[in-house]
Amino acid sequence: AQKVTQAQTEISVVEKEDVTLDCVYETRDTTYYLFWYKQPPSGELVFLIRRNSFDEQNEISGRYSWNFQKSTSSFNFTITASQVVDSAVYFCALSEVDSNYQLIWGAGTKLIIKP
Amino acid sequence: ETGVTQTPRHLVMGMTNKKSLKCEQHLGHNAMYWYKQSAKKPLELMFVYSLEERVENNSVPSRFSPECPNSSHLFLHLHTLQPEDSALYLCASSQARGAAGELFFGEGSRLTVL
Repeated sequence: AQKVTQAQTEISVVEKEDVTLDCVYETRDTTYYLFWYKQPPSGELVFLIRRNSFDEQNEISGRYSWNFQKSTSSFNFTITASQVVDSAVYFCALSEVDSNYQLIWGAGTKLIIKP
Repeated sequence: ETGVTQTPRHLVMGMTNKKSLKCEQHLGHNAMYWYKQSAKKPLELMFVYSLEERVENNSVPSRFSPECPNSSHLFLHLHTLQPEDSALYLCASSQARGAAGELFFGEGSRLTVL
């Protein structure tokens, strides 16, 4: 069974629209971490955020915000006022004790921001 | 210099060739990783090195052979590959293995096997 599900394969929006990328995870551990990474066309994955399972506070960083809800096992990512430079593939990942903290990756969501 | 550098960026090889991918990190990290990224599949962890010792080998075929001569360099030696091995190979490093440290990635080596 998939442990990290990113159901949206591809999303296309017009610049300045808000967009939310969904991430649903599955774990039996009480201690775990959730991540978002961005992969622009150049190829390298860029770390965006890490959240531990004991901190459900939402986080905002500029136009980026993250909504962590343990009740629904979701860790969604919202970009406000999207820009063309936000176009990339975004990956959600889970790190848990059972897997020795190795990252378990979702399949990624390709985000296309049209000018 | 960028944190993690991979060379070559692109590589085309025949099934009988022997080639190597190189990764170098300038971050003073103790753990290094090889990942394989194929189209429409989640990233696959191939190998993990911690303090130059291999600590993970996720059932990778023996035609892929990693080498970590020191904590800053990581190689992936390739021989008798198959066309299905064509993919983007990503190198990453972290401060330490495990403990949910963030990973720093290189831009990858795009491998095409003919």
